[in-house]
Amino acid sequence: AQTVTQSQPEMSVQEAETVTLSCTYDTSESDYYLFWYKQPPSRQMILVIRQEAYKQQNATENRFSVNFQKAAKSFSLKISDSQLGDAAMYFCAYGHQGGKLIFGQGTELSVKP
Amino acid sequence: DSGVTQTPKHLITATGQRVTLRCSPRSGDLSVYWYQQSLDQGLQFLIQYYNGEERAKGNILERFSAQQFPDLHSELNLSSLELGDSALYFCASSVALAGANTGELFFGEGSRLTVL
Repeated sequence: AQTVTQSQPEMSVQEAETVTLSCTYDTSESDYYLFWYKQPPSRQMILVIRQEAYKQQNATENRFSVNFQKAAKSFSLKISDSQLGDAAMYFCAYGHQGGKLIFGQGTELSVKP
Repeated sequence: DSGVTQTPKHLITATGQRVTLRCSPRSGDLSVYWYQQSLDQGLQFLIQYYNGEERAKGNILERFSAQQFPDLHSELNLSSLELGDSALYFCASSVALAGANTGELFFGEGSRLTVL
């Protein structure tokens, strides 16, 4: 069975600095998707970034980028120039063939002014 | 706005009662997923429907049931409620068609259930 592990329950970053959130996963599939979702205090689930496993190039969305290491089954999220609005719970998720997403336990990110 | 609508947003009820949560997926999406998020926990997958048929089942309790109707909206029924059922229940939808699916799920705002 596929699993997703986020080993950092909490992280903290100074405003304008860079922070990296870690995620590892386990799967026997070769074609899949990986995601980072953000959940602010409003509890809404917001997609931050998506990576297709067949793509070697790391996905980037403005200040958000990933480091996808397929062989190591690692998928970390880097947030550059952190802003107060980035404070939220971040969930790493795995998906395969249009089915359900499997989520990690989340990392609570706080941003210090 | 994700385009996924969930009602009610908040619900308070007593142990032993039954509630129904409703979800309207994004226009054109055929798959509906239900997730449970307990306090300070991750999202636990409950069940998936695709075009009216059950597609996948997670750790959904026997006291819980769901269905997807011909108009593609879905309902999650929770019965014989216990204190531990208090949680945020999310509905999500996706296209879930080969070649048209980005894998992304679009989430509603959730229904917060409090069982007293």
